[in-house]
Amino acid sequence: DTGVSQNPRHKITKRGQNVTFRCDPISEHNRLYWYRQTLGQGPEFLTYFQNEAQLEKSRLLSDRFSAERPKGSFSTLEIQRTEQGDSAMYLCASSLGGTVTDTQYFGPGTRLTVL
Amino acid sequence: DAKTTQPTSMDCAEGRAANLPCNHSTISGNEYVYWYRQIHSQGPQYIIHGLKNNETNEMASLIITEDRKSSTLILPHATLRDTAVYYCIGLTGGTSYGKLTFGQGTILTVHP
Repeated sequence: DTGVSQNPRHKITKRGQNVTFRCDPISEHNRLYWYRQTLGQGPEFLTYFQNEAQLEKSRLLSDRFSAERPKGSFSTLEIQRTEQGDSAMYLCASSLGGTVTDTQYFGPGTRLTVL
Repeated sequence: DAKTTQPTSMDCAEGRAANLPCNHSTISGNEYVYWYRQIHSQGPQYIIHGLKNNETNEMASLIITEDRKSSTLILPHATLRDTAVYYCIGLTGGTSYGKLTFGQGTILTVHP
């Protein structure tokens, strides 16, 4: 499968614990996005990478959240000191970049449950 | 990017065409209309996009009005697997990146 992959698919954690999610984009896609989706809502943008550079962060991304894309390939999203309000689906998308229209392709998501 | 308005829900009989409308009256000249869908508990799936001409691919057709203030996504022969939330999104073209702004979308239910 050459699509966007995310791991783990599900994560259950206790409040106060740290969690890390991984996203592997489509090969040669130099743009990578993270979104968050809570129940009954559409996905909301969190952050964006062009290669290894993080170029935009949403105000939704509090200080407890950090994202990296160290070699411009896979990306990680870490949440420190999780809270129950962090329970959501975390979605990763990638796009080729550098074209007039730049279609984003999404992974299956990581569902986080904070107890 | 333009604000889009979609009906909250729609029904369609299996085998019939599903026509999903979207209003985007504030769309600008270089703004594309993108359609994604999300089947329960999965990531959004890209369907189709267009600027001003009608577009067709293996999944759907996109009809954009001449004034570009509205569009319709057509699934020609809906199946039960097409039951999903459908999102219409305006996105400015160009080589700069575009973050997708999802609304509530339309819940399409295909019934036997």
